[in-house]
Amino acid sequence: EAGVTQFPSHSVIEKGQTVTLRCDPISGHDNLYWYRRVMGKEIKFLLHFVKESKQDESGMPNNRFLAERTGGTYSTLKVQPAELEDSGVYFCASSRPGGAAFFGQGTRLTVV
Amino acid sequence: GEDVEQSLFLSVREGDSSVINCTYTDSSSTYLYWYKQEPGAGLQLLTYIFSNMDMKQDQRLTVLLNKKDKHLSLRIADTQTGDSAIYFCAEITAGSSNTGKLIFGQGTTLQVKP
Repeated sequence: EAGVTQFPSHSVIEKGQTVTLRCDPISGHDNLYWYRRVMGKEIKFLLHFVKESKQDESGMPNNRFLAERTGGTYSTLKVQPAELEDSGVYFCASSRPGGAAFFGQGTRLTVV
Repeated sequence: GEDVEQSLFLSVREGDSSVINCTYTDSSSTYLYWYKQEPGAGLQLLTYIFSNMDMKQDQRLTVLLNKKDKHLSLRIADTQTGDSAIYFCAEITAGSSNTGKLIFGQGTTLQVKP
């Protein structure tokens, strides 16, 4: 069984540009989460999908961040326009209902 | 509020035991987890404990939970160089038990010296 896959693994963009991160969850996992770790601090929750529906987006920093999960399969997280403080590692995780979350390897985003 | 705290760094010698500590503030925690992040890799679920348990053992790993003091620890017996990684403590609170939202600590970097 394939694990959670994230793409790209690294991204370096200039301030003001747009970046789209992708997450492919484990097949059959309805729950999909996005988290972010900024500058060696704690990993913070961004949002939660159940299938294609957003259940909780209380952790999204601002309206420059847009997450989608069309069809309830893979998810994308777009940052537009990117700012310096958006740099960090973005993790995606998936789980079955009531199950433990399995994480991807993360996307390291650097905004210069 | 929800807050999870960990010490940032621990250094041990190969073969010794490592104890990584975590404290949390929300007494309604239902599940507590330990994740491991090796360099360049994602978060690997190591183990978890349900809040009505006080100990769980899995091979070289022992998790101790003191619910009264809101303290969680991870003991790694016979620590090996391959155990060098960042260890994250995380909780699911009663308020998030339906969603599975995790609250993480800052991570403890474990350095194992040969």
